[in-house]
Amino acid sequence: DGGITQSPKYLFRKEGQNVTLSCEQNLNHDAMYWYRQDPGQGLRLIYYSQIVNDFQKGDIAEGYSVSREKKESFPLTVTSAQKNPTAFYLCATQPGGSGYNEQFFGPGTRLTVL
Amino acid sequence: AQTVTQSQPEMSVQEAETVTLSCTYDTSESDYYLFWYKQPPSRQMILVIRQEAYKQQNATENRFSVNFQKAAKSFSLKISDSQLGDAAMYFCAYRTYNTDKLIFGTGTRLQVFP
Repeated sequence: DGGITQSPKYLFRKEGQNVTLSCEQNLNHDAMYWYRQDPGQGLRLIYYSQIVNDFQKGDIAEGYSVSREKKESFPLTVTSAQKNPTAFYLCATQPGGSGYNEQFFGPGTRLTVL
Repeated sequence: AQTVTQSQPEMSVQEAETVTLSCTYDTSESDYYLFWYKQPPSRQMILVIRQEAYKQQNATENRFSVNFQKAAKSFSLKISDSQLGDAAMYFCAYRTYNTDKLIFGTGTRLQVFP
């Protein structure tokens, strides 16, 4: 069953704790992305990766970190330095990097920091 | 900076009627892609339709079509014969040829009434 898996669907953490959001894909897509969605603000790019062991900052990378050790996996860590981490986080993939190709999205993780 | 503007936070339509969602964008590039994504209550982002800037012909996908006006930097989405399942947030997005970054508008919430 091909697709993008994000786990968990809901995540609660105490303020000051780091938390890692999982994103796994079996679509064999090269590029992977992390977006943050807040009410009334659309989606904003946090980090993206076009190939294994390489990634670039997006527009709102401060307080976040990523790794891309395997093609299938692109975990996002929300660190304690992120001032307002409560949000809906979406992972996306794209075949072959730039171009007309669409991005495919996972089901998302809702993070709530208490 | 490239921006995408969706000036209608909410729209409503009666079942079987037609509705048009507006999107404008600001760019100095001549080659780019435009997308409409749908986000139903499940929050799963789904591609509705896409358009390459060099193509003058408006894209069509079943009941969904666009009105692409390059000079006016406008990319509206028309939904014909609206169905209850069309109720969702709709996001307009833009990407240039040589970048992986999708720039999203703030979205339009579409309600469909029986």
